[in-house]
Amino acid sequence: DIQMTQSPASLSASLGETVTIECRASEDIYNGLAWYQQKPGKSPQLLIYNANSLHTGVPSRFSGSGSGTQYSLKINSLQSEDVASYFCQQYYNYYTFGAGTKLELK
Amino acid sequence: EVQLVESGGGLVQPGRSMKLSCAASGFTFSDYYMAWVRQAPKKGLEWVASISYEGSSTYYGDSVKGRFTISRDNAKSTLYLQMNSLRSEDTATYYCARRYPAPFAYWGQGTLVTVSS
Repeated sequence: DIQMTQSPASLSASLGETVTIECRASEDIYNGLAWYQQKPGKSPQLLIYNANSLHTGVPSRFSGSGSGTQYSLKINSLQSEDVASYFCQQYYNYYTFGAGTKLELK
Repeated sequence: EVQLVESGGGLVQPGRSMKLSCAASGFTFSDYYMAWVRQAPKKGLEWVASISYEGSSTYYGDSVKGRFTISRDNAKSTLYLQMNSLRSEDTATYYCARRYPAPFAYWGQGTLVTVSS
């Protein structure tokens, strides 16, 4: 099974700041990676797929990058509505999620 | 607009069964793989099962294999999850999800299943 290690577990940032969340796979997942945002009490929403493709309707301040076993999600110019938990997920070999990153405002 | 509405959750005793449903609208249901994903309270996400367009192929996570069965009725645009031999560790919010452009591109609001005596 492919394991996904996500960091940090929690993050505190100021409005307007740039935030980066990392995800490391236990083996090469060939860009089979998605990022999700989950606000409290809501279902997850797809942000990024294929490591760097922005899903329909997602603001351009979100971006994804990486290859091989290392991937990252970047949020430029942090907005208040970005307060949420973020999860990475590999889909190269079945499906495994990272443990999540809880993003709060400083 | 893609809409997925889960139902059928609630309180169930350990060892008993429960069947979840997911009513889909806003897209041609039979054109997409579908899946169930769950989230235990205050925990992360876990893939449960997936099913192909016509239901001929099904896939399961290790923790539910042999106990859960995913199925679909394309005429009713509805996805199902039959859960047998339920355990306390199956307590979670269960989400149905549609594939494309990612495996879980669109999610329902979820239905809570609590396994407890």
